[in-house]
Amino acid sequence: GAVVSQHPSRVICKSGTSVKIECRSLDFQATTMFWYRQFPKQSLMLMATSNEGSKATYEQGVEKDKFLINHASLTLSTLTVTSAHPEDSSFYICSTGTSGGAPKGHEQFFGPGTRLTVL
Amino acid sequence: GQNIDQPTEMTATEGAIVQINCTYQTSGFNGLFWYQQHAGEAPTFLSYNVLDGLEEKGRFSSFLSRSKGYSYLLLKELQMKDSASYLCAPLDSNYQLIWGAGTKLIIKP
Repeated sequence: GAVVSQHPSRVICKSGTSVKIECRSLDFQATTMFWYRQFPKQSLMLMATSNEGSKATYEQGVEKDKFLINHASLTLSTLTVTSAHPEDSSFYICSTGTSGGAPKGHEQFFGPGTRLTVL
Repeated sequence: GQNIDQPTEMTATEGAIVQINCTYQTSGFNGLFWYQQHAGEAPTFLSYNVLDGLEEKGRFSSFLSRSKGYSYLLLKELQMKDSASYLCAPLDSNYQLIWGAGTKLIIKP
């Protein structure tokens, strides 16, 4: 399977600051990347789908002006949490997937996640 | 609507066998994935079923019945490292993964 990295793995920031999380696909060109958020003991929540070279598609209830996604290349997508607040503290996970073709191609490969704590 | 139903938590003994059930309701269906997630880590792929029946892969097997909207993950010869959450995730008609909250599996010596 594909190898996906995320940076940073942990970040602690003050309320009101912005935090950028990087997601890199190391061994294949990811036309599509997914950003998830997961609160303790809850399911993964898809925040947005990012397609290389175009605007991200945000899920209902996710503020696109607060969670800025940039997918400028086939190997890198970034999520910026702007003006972070304590309620944004969560585990953020990116994944890459192939699109189209047989369903098996929709398997997603996950990065290791970023633990964000906003004080 | 779309819904995934899995037990919240299960406990099993090292060396034993455990079956984690999943029932689902989705808008369309294009197969079902099982992922393993250790605490504080991202999910990792375990299996994929698109046809009815049992798929065996080492100690782990996964079963699917499309007509019943039902799948299970069977873990044999349990090891302590199998303590994790197990996520059932069907693919809907838009090829989007639908995630449940997962089943936390606790392995006791």
